[in-house]
Amino acid sequence: EIVLTQSPGTLSLSPGERATLSCRASQSVSSSYLAWYQQKPGQAPRLLIYGASSRATGIPDRFSGSGSGTDFTLTISRLEPEDFAVYYCQQYGRAFGQGTKVEIK
Amino acid sequence: EVQLVQSGAEVKKPGESLKISCKGSGYSFTSYWIGWVRQMPGKGLEWMGIIYPGDSDTRYSPSFQGQVTISADKSISTAYLQWSSLKASDTAMYYCARGMPSDYWGQGTLVTVSS
Repeated sequence: EIVLTQSPGTLSLSPGERATLSCRASQSVSSSYLAWYQQKPGQAPRLLIYGASSRATGIPDRFSGSGSGTDFTLTISRLEPEDFAVYYCQQYGRAFGQGTKVEIK
Repeated sequence: EVQLVQSGAEVKKPGESLKISCKGSGYSFTSYWIGWVRQMPGKGLEWMGIIYPGDSDTRYSPSFQGQVTISADKSISTAYLQWSSLKASDTAMYYCARGMPSDYWGQGTLVTVSS
C-alpha cells in the first residue's frame, strides 16, 4: 500500500506570502490520480486540485499543483486570510497524507 | 445541484451496532463511487473504503477491512456505513464523498461511543 507523507507538518506564514506544501509517495503514483483537499475547522474537506495539477471548479488560480512520480507540490502563490487551513493530499480512492496545517504567523 | 446528505449524530454504547447513511441527489447515483472517510477528534483524514453503487463493487482500506461494512441501496440513492460492535475508539466524525477524486462531500456524521 502506498503511503503519502506530507511536509512540513505546520507552515507559519503571513497573508500575501507564498506557501509550498509537499506530498511524497512511498512508491510512484500516477499523476492522474493525485488530489489535494483543503479543510477548515468544523467543515468537510473541499477538493482543490485533481490529476496533480488541474484546479477543481471554482478554485482560485492562486492555487496550483505540480509534480509526478513520488513528489508532488501544492503551491498557494499569495496567501489570503481564508487560505489558512489544513491541506491533505490523496491518491484517488486510497489513503490520505497526514496533512499540513497552514497557520497565520 | 449535487448533494450528499448524511444521517444525524449518534451516541452509542460500546458493543452496540450502528448504521449511518449518506443520501445522494442531483446526479446519477449509480455512476459515481461513494467513499467513506473517518476523522477522529483533532486528527487527520483516514480513508475507510469505497463502493460503486452501480454494481456494488466495494473496496476497503486494510485498516478498516473486517471492522466496518459499506453498502448501498441504489433504489433510494443511499450509501451506508455500519458497525456490528462499536468500540470507544470508533468515536469520530464520518464523511461520505462522491467520486474519485471526491468532488462533493456530505456534512459529516458525528458518532460518539461511550459507556
